Amino acid sequence: GAVVSQHPSWVICKSGTSVKIECRSLDFQATTMFWYRQFPKQSLMLMATSNEGSKATYEQGVEKDKFLINHASLTLSTLTVTSAHPEDSSFYICSARVLANEQFFGPGTRLTVL
Amino acid sequence: AQTVTQSQPEMSVQEAETVTLSCTYDTSESDYYLFWYKQPPSRQMILVIRQEAYKQQNATENRFSVNFQKAAKSFSLKISDSQLGDAAMYFCATFGNEKLTFGTGTRLTIIP
Repeated sequence: GAVVSQHPSWVICKSGTSVKIECRSLDFQATTMFWYRQFPKQSLMLMATSNEGSKATYEQGVEKDKFLINHASLTLSTLTVTSAHPEDSSFYICSARVLANEQFFGPGTRLTVL
Repeated sequence: AQTVTQSQPEMSVQEAETVTLSCTYDTSESDYYLFWYKQPPSRQMILVIRQEAYKQQNATENRFSVNFQKAAKSFSLKISDSQLGDAAMYFCATFGNEKLTFGTGTRLTIIP
């Protein structure tokens, strides 16, 4: 099956620094990738839709200047959390669209901001 | 707009028994898909089963089956012969308008 990787799996950073999370489709090309955020014991909330070669589409309430998304190739999308603060600490999950209605998920990245 | 409701925050079942997880949804889409995902402690999201809304026949994947009631907008998941490895969070989701919308999840505990 389709495999999606994320790197890093866990990152700790100081408040005010920026952190980049990579999402890769390993054995297929993904024109569309999605970024989700999951707080402890809660559901996944869609942050943005990332389309290769174009600007990401952000969900309402998500700060696009804080969560920068780049989808420069058919196998890589990146999420950069700029000027991170403790409230940005969360579990970030990406997914890649395989078929029109199916997504495969990465293993997630745990971000802790001190 | 889409909404997904899972009214059971937690469920438990004896090993080898059957359990049903409930899910209701609402969508303005005429063509949509429904999913059940499993999230074990590793937090990797795993697709359990998928249902196309235009299909009347309920989807089945080995020990997992759904009861899809389109008019009632209900999409429950039945797990037969429960195994210890089934312990996880289960999320119901609907895909429409190019995005997945998840329910709040049901934590399933398997009692040995």
